[in-house]
Amino acid sequence: EDQVTQSPEALRLQEGESSSLNCSYTVSGLRGLFWYRQDPGKGPEFLFTLYSAGEEKEKERLKATLTKKESFLHITAPKPEDSATYLCAVPAYSGAGSYQLTFGKGTKLSVIP
Amino acid sequence: EAQVTQNPRYLITVTGKKLTVTCSQNMNHEYMSWYRQDPGLGLRQIYYSMNVEVTDKGDVPEGYKVSRKEKRNFPLILESPSPNQTSLYFCASSLLAETDTQYFGPGTRLTVL
Repeated sequence: EDQVTQSPEALRLQEGESSSLNCSYTVSGLRGLFWYRQDPGKGPEFLFTLYSAGEEKEKERLKATLTKKESFLHITAPKPEDSATYLCAVPAYSGAGSYQLTFGKGTKLSVIP
Repeated sequence: EAQVTQNPRYLITVTGKKLTVTCSQNMNHEYMSWYRQDPGLGLRQIYYSMNVEVTDKGDVPEGYKVSRKEKRNFPLILESPSPNQTSLYFCASSLLAETDTQYFGPGTRLTVL
């Protein structure tokens, strides 16, 4: 059962064309939602953590928002260097009082000059 | 510089030849974990450690071992590697738990022939 679903799987944008990536989750009692950026062959790089519905965070051209069922990563006027795979993750209950960070499969963003 | 390091970065080996991938962090983090990343499957947790001498299984622990004898180090051991363990491996650490922001290492690309 998927607990974190990202859409679309891939997105091609022209430079300057704003858009949004979606991350929907089904865990109960959210203990944080994390956004990461991953370049090919490299480790995920932390972007944002959101903890409660209505929360927003920004960094340069990126803005992350959170509702009770999903999160959006808005990209405003993207540049080619924003091309990467964007991952979201949530801690999901794995039994015996412990949680496990569960990742979505990611959205591969390509920004064309 | 705060970082997670992994060695080796690339490794090609043969079936059955024991190997160890090292992971070290210099942030005094309590929590460390190992993931593997495969096309179409995303990031999946192999093992994690809440503290020294405390380790537990993640989603895909079969064929792997770990140890946590010191806070900063968390090696991943493949005692008898098989071709289905060919993957990209990431070590990560966070301050206290899986609900804190995890910082990832650069990755180890392993090929088992």
